[in-house]
Amino acid sequence: NAGVTQTPKFRVLKTGQSMTLLCAQDMNHEYMYWYRQDPGMGLRLIHYSVGEGTTAKGEVPDGYNVSRLKKQNFLLGLESAAPSQTSVYFCASNYRGPTDTQYFGPGTRLTVL
Amino acid sequence: AQSVTQLGSHVSVSEGALVLLRCNYSSSVPPYLFWYVQYPNQGLQLLLKYTSAATLVKGINGFEAEFKKSETSFHLTKPSAHMSDAAEYFCAVMNTGFQKLVFGTGTRLLVSP
Repeated sequence: NAGVTQTPKFRVLKTGQSMTLLCAQDMNHEYMYWYRQDPGMGLRLIHYSVGEGTTAKGEVPDGYNVSRLKKQNFLLGLESAAPSQTSVYFCASNYRGPTDTQYFGPGTRLTVL
Repeated sequence: AQSVTQLGSHVSVSEGALVLLRCNYSSSVPPYLFWYVQYPNQGLQLLLKYTSAATLVKGINGFEAEFKKSETSFHLTKPSAHMSDAAEYFCAVMNTGFQKLVFGTGTRLLVSP
């Protein structure tokens, strides 16, 4: 039981490049979330999903897209990376939504030059 | 909208001393409240959560928090700090009117020998 895994762990991009971050969970969770963590700002919700095939915007969705084609996977895409997207990205998942314990992945550290 | 305020971005204690991390919340309805801990280079994990069953909530690793409605507070305490408690701690609030968990900005706990 691996829990929540994230790929890659580190990435450096140049401004304007694109990339996809992969989150996978093996706990059969319905809800999945993408957060970004910046110094002094805590975690902010980017997008979330309440089940396979669904996505919704969070607090800071601009510049990101997501897809949940399979229940166990939640992908976060950056179409044209900007230095303001330099951050640590965390994926989380749970059974019953935000009132339930969230299980976090180890994070992806992204630097955009 | 709901929010949380964590007083003090850094708290320093000596090993064996009382740990007190402060969290005040803003919510128009009875909230769900959480404390998460983040060890260096890891994702967040749940310490404890308040769901209105009891005002004093006990969590893992000897931590506990007390919900005080009159003070809109949910402070985290531990009677005796251990070196392994050094980490960043996040308070978070969720109310049933919204589908999002809102995190505070975090408090880094430093434990000295």
